Amino acid sequence: EVQLVESGGGLVQPGGSLRLSCAASGFTISSYWMTWVRQAPGKGLEWVGNIKQDGSEKYYVDSVKGRFTISRDNAKNSLYLQMNSLRAEDTAVYYCARQTLVTPSTPDYWGQGTLVTVTS
Amino acid sequence: DIQMTQSPSSLSASVGDRVTITCRASQSISFYLNWYRQKPGQAPNLLIYAASSLQSGVPSRFSGSGSGTDFTLTISSLQPEDFATYYCQQSYSMPTFGQGTKVEIK
Repeated sequence: EVQLVESGGGLVQPGGSLRLSCAASGFTISSYWMTWVRQAPGKGLEWVGNIKQDGSEKYYVDSVKGRFTISRDNAKNSLYLQMNSLRAEDTAVYYCARQTLVTPSTPDYWGQGTLVTVTS
Repeated sequence: DIQMTQSPSSLSASVGDRVTITCRASQSISFYLNWYRQKPGQAPNLLIYAASSLQSGVPSRFSGSGSGTDFTLTISSLQPEDFATYYCQQSYSMPTFGQGTKVEIK
């Protein structure tokens, strides 16, 4: 069974940093693009970014460029999101997701999400 | 960025009803359009990819159509578990989502 489990969320002050992790099981992430998507409380979905199978390509939404970094450790079957210079508007549930092999930028399996709250 | 606009933003329906949700892109996205269902407190669930392909394990009451800028998600007979929020998402360029359509019980 495919499973994705995020961890690392919590309360952080503006300007602070946080590192999210996503542990995958039931499949090998080295075969898939992986993705982070976020959802502010009571709001819609926002694509954060994604990373190619070997980590050689990464893409980010403009609002996080230069502040967030996606990485992966295929040996540990894990995905990461390093978040720096956090702002109040980064408050959201962060989901990691696996992309399909069939069509680009299409998450087919999602984790349950981890809540990040940026507040003073 | 490509803007995705869903209509309606919300609707009320009964079990067994046929429901249609539309999604319009601000420019042509060919068939690179996906649909998700999100139940309260849960992660989104992929229903339709590439405009009209049914994701494995998704009931056949869900169908998608369209290409270019205009797309439709149809639920042929609404079930209790379908009262949720639905999102479209374009995968033609940097992905963006519609604002969501909340389907409520009438």
